[in-house]
Amino acid sequence: SYVLTQPPSVSVAPGQTARITCGGNDIGSKNVHWYQQKPGQAPVLVVYDDSDRPSGIPERFSGSNSGNTATLTISRVEAGDEADYYCQVWDGSSDPYVFGTGTKVTVL
Amino acid sequence: QMQLVESGGGVVQPGKSLRLSCTASGFTFSSFAMHWVRQAPGKGLEWVAFISSDGTNKHYADSVTGRFTVSRDNSKDTVYLQMNSLRPEDTAVYYCARDGNLLTAYLDFWGQGTLVTVSS
Repeated sequence: SYVLTQPPSVSVAPGQTARITCGGNDIGSKNVHWYQQKPGQAPVLVVYDDSDRPSGIPERFSGSNSGNTATLTISRVEAGDEADYYCQVWDGSSDPYVFGTGTKVTVL
Repeated sequence: QMQLVESGGGVVQPGKSLRLSCTASGFTFSSFAMHWVRQAPGKGLEWVAFISSDGTNKHYADSVTGRFTVSRDNSKDTVYLQMNSLRPEDTAVYYCARDGNLLTAYLDFWGQGTLVTVSS
């Protein structure tokens, strides 16, 4: 089955930029989606189809995807951005809906 | 205001069964495919099952195939997950989620989840 690899943790100071990577074989040929999950809460979709934002998601959240790596970028990081972030793709394998391993973003 | 409310979780012994429900409101339930996703304590997200908007098309993760069954009742705006032959490794918070786009397959709205604990 398809595997998506994320760094376990990313630390960033308030006001700086956080970049969260999601690695997968030829992931650039797939549509990548990103979810934010705060402690004790359900996941929330923050970026879909590589770089689109649902309504209500700040422009500070952006995405890109090329080659073997997709990236979620959070600009001007705020304390409220502290959360776990997961990437996700659809793959035509036996387990078609694949989530990444997750990245914990810590705001210093 | 959209809502997905899961219910039916609890503590169950290994080998037993449990049925989860997820009731939707605030959108036209019958127009959307639905998913179940689970999260073991302290772990990441794991997709479990998919059901199409009319209930005719279903897919399961390898880890639950043959044990779990997804179904829906569009007259009740509810999707179900019947879980049989439960194992300790099925212990998790189970979320239902709406499929936002069948082509690109993102989950655009999630319920708050219900906890299933499999333990003797």
